[in-house]
Amino acid sequence: AQTVTQSQPEMSVQEAETVTLSCTYDTSENNYYLFWYKQPPSRQMILVIRQEAYKQQNATENRFSVNFQKAAKSFSLKISDSQLGDTAMYFCAFMSASGGSYIPTFGRGTSLIVHP
Amino acid sequence: GAVVSQHPSWVICKSGTSVKIECRSLDFQATTMFWYRQFPKQSLMLMATSNEGSKATYEQGVEKDKFLINHASLTLSTLTVTSAHPEDSSFYICSARGRLAETQYFGPGTRLLVL
Repeated sequence: AQTVTQSQPEMSVQEAETVTLSCTYDTSENNYYLFWYKQPPSRQMILVIRQEAYKQQNATENRFSVNFQKAAKSFSLKISDSQLGDTAMYFCAFMSASGGSYIPTFGRGTSLIVHP
Repeated sequence: GAVVSQHPSWVICKSGTSVKIECRSLDFQATTMFWYRQFPKQSLMLMATSNEGSKATYEQGVEKDKFLINHASLTLSTLTVTSAHPEDSSFYICSARGRLAETQYFGPGTRLLVL
């Protein structure tokens, strides 16, 4: 079974600075997807970024980028120019592309607070 | 992007009653829908997966007679909490996935409080 580990229960950052959230996963598969989801205080889960394992290029979405290290099974999220609205829980998720189930496994989350 | 709605967003009920929560995909056909439960400051716990027109697949430890799931169409899935008890109080989230299976889109969640 796949596992997803987010080793930072809580993080904080000053507005406009950069922060990196870590995520590691364990799998024997070669074809999979990785996600970062954001859950603000409203508790609506929002997709931040998605990475296909077969792509070597790191995914980027505006101020959000990932550092995908497939050999190390690491998938960290970098938030640049942090904004107050980035305050949220961030969940890393792994999803196998094999077997047809496509059911994601979530990490335990990192609570990010952006300070003014 | 894809939009998933959930209704109601808040429900308070008496112990022993049943509560139905609806999950709708508004602008895409959801071949698969997922139901999660989330306790405060914790991650999402998958309860069941449902495919349109077939029976739901429940995760280990989830009572299928307690949490009835119906995925009657490509845009609607319902979760019914039968004979609710205070320990069923939680935040329930649905998500939906279209034919491009790699991304799930989440509803806004339903807060259930059983008195």
